[in-house]
Amino acid sequence: GAGVSQSPSNKVTEKGKDVELRCDPISGHTALYWYRQSLGQGLEFLIYFQGNSAPDKSGLPSDRFSAERTGGSVSTLTIQRTQQEDSAVYLCASSPRGAGALAKNIQYFGAGTRLSVL
Amino acid sequence: KNQVEQSPQSLIILEGKNCTLQCNYTVSPFSNLRWYKQDTGRGPVSLTIMTFSENTKSNGRYTATLDADTKQSSLHITASQLSDSASYICVVGGSARQLTFGSGTQLTVLP
Repeated sequence: GAGVSQSPSNKVTEKGKDVELRCDPISGHTALYWYRQSLGQGLEFLIYFQGNSAPDKSGLPSDRFSAERTGGSVSTLTIQRTQQEDSAVYLCASSPRGAGALAKNIQYFGAGTRLSVL
Repeated sequence: KNQVEQSPQSLIILEGKNCTLQCNYTVSPFSNLRWYKQDTGRGPVSLTIMTFSENTKSNGRYTATLDADTKQSSLHITASQLSDSASYICVVGGSARQLTFGSGTQLTVLP
């Protein structure tokens, strides 16, 4: 597809279960970001992948959160032993290169995965 | 600490009216400032991107301004339409990996 694809679009899970969220970035984009958006809050940075560099994991809120990016393309965000406070929309974005410094490097966002932990 | 503050938090206007949204930031280093539009249930979509040397940028009925000295930006929407109802997010780019997001202004346009 032409855009960033995320799956599933909605996920309901029970407290304590593990979940995996998937992101398919735009083909050829080397930078991939994961964000979390809680109700009424701004986007919270989680993790950033840029090419073959070591990912920037500085935004991950706890060691229950991890992410991988295989072959420089698809990424999965894994949340282990989910807690109710993990309930949020998880957004993935990709850009041709790192979006922060390069002004014309637009981020393209997926529609997000809405996670509900009961 | 890098911060982006937006005001107002929410705004209701009538269709056809103009409005201006505000963004103040304390981000260092500064590289660029972006405005995104986020429709309910969708991911944010880029509206404008401005670098340090640009003080205005237009995209149709959307016009963004930037005052890098006072660290303020505004997004002006002209002749609002019902489809403009959305959250408008101000984002400041710093270093290569850093983007700081504001919490958004929720705009509702009524007929």
